[in-house]
Amino acid sequence: EVQLVESGGDLVKPGGSLRLSCVVSGFDFSDVWMSWVRQIPGKGLEWLARIKSKTDGGTIDYAAPVRGRFTISRDDPKNTLYLQLSSLETEDTAVYYCVKDRKSGGRDPFFDYWGQGTLVTVSS
Amino acid sequence: DIQMTQSPSSLSASVGDKITITCRASQTMSTYFNWYQQKPGKAPKLLIHSVSTLQSGVPSRFSASGSGTDFTLTITSLQPEDFASYYCQQAYSTPWTFGQGTNIEVK
Repeated sequence: EVQLVESGGDLVKPGGSLRLSCVVSGFDFSDVWMSWVRQIPGKGLEWLARIKSKTDGGTIDYAAPVRGRFTISRDDPKNTLYLQLSSLETEDTAVYYCVKDRKSGGRDPFFDYWGQGTLVTVSS
Repeated sequence: DIQMTQSPSSLSASVGDKITITCRASQTMSTYFNWYQQKPGKAPKLLIHSVSTLQSGVPSRFSASGSGTDFTLTITSLQPEDFASYYCQQAYSTPWTFGQGTNIEVK
C-alpha cells in the first residue's frame, strides 16, 4: 500500500521558519520525482516545488512565489521528502501536500499519490 | 508559464445529470494533461491522466478528451459521490499549473 505521511505543520509567526517532512512507503522512492503542492483554505491548488530523482540529476524547480524562500530536498535512504519554509508570510497559510510526481525518465507525468496534507498557519 | 483557464467555477446539478467541465491552456502541451477530484477535507485524487486515460478504479461514467489547448471532462449520470471539486492540470512544463477548479454542488 502506498502511503505518504506529512508532518511538521504548525502555527508560526511571520518571518519564521518551519520544516515539513513526508515519509513515503509502498513504492521505490528513489526512482520518482517528488513535488509539494499547497492549498490555501477554500482556494485552489498551487504547485510549489519539484525535485527529480538522482537518476535524473536531482534537478530542482520552484514556483515563483516561493523561490528563494522555500527549499525542497530528499533523503532517499530514509524515503523522506522535505520542504524547508523560511521568511514565512501570512499568505503562506495553507495545507501543504507531498505528492508523488513522475517516474525517472519523465514517465507517467501525473500526481498519482498524495499525502493527507499538513496545515501551516502563519499568524502573529 | 502555462495558464490554465477552467470553467465553470461552480455548477449546480442533480443526481443523474450529465455535466461537462472545460479547461483551456495558454499553449499546447501534447498529452501532458490531467484531471483531479477533491472532496472536502481530503487530498486530491487523480481521476484522469494523459488527457483521456481513466486512473485505475475510476468509474466509466467519467470521460475526458481534448487536444491542443482545449480539454473537457464529462460525467454522465452524476452520482451522489461525484459532488466534489475538480481541477485540471498541465504537466508539460514547470511550473506545473492547475485550473482554478470547478465545484459541483447539489441543485
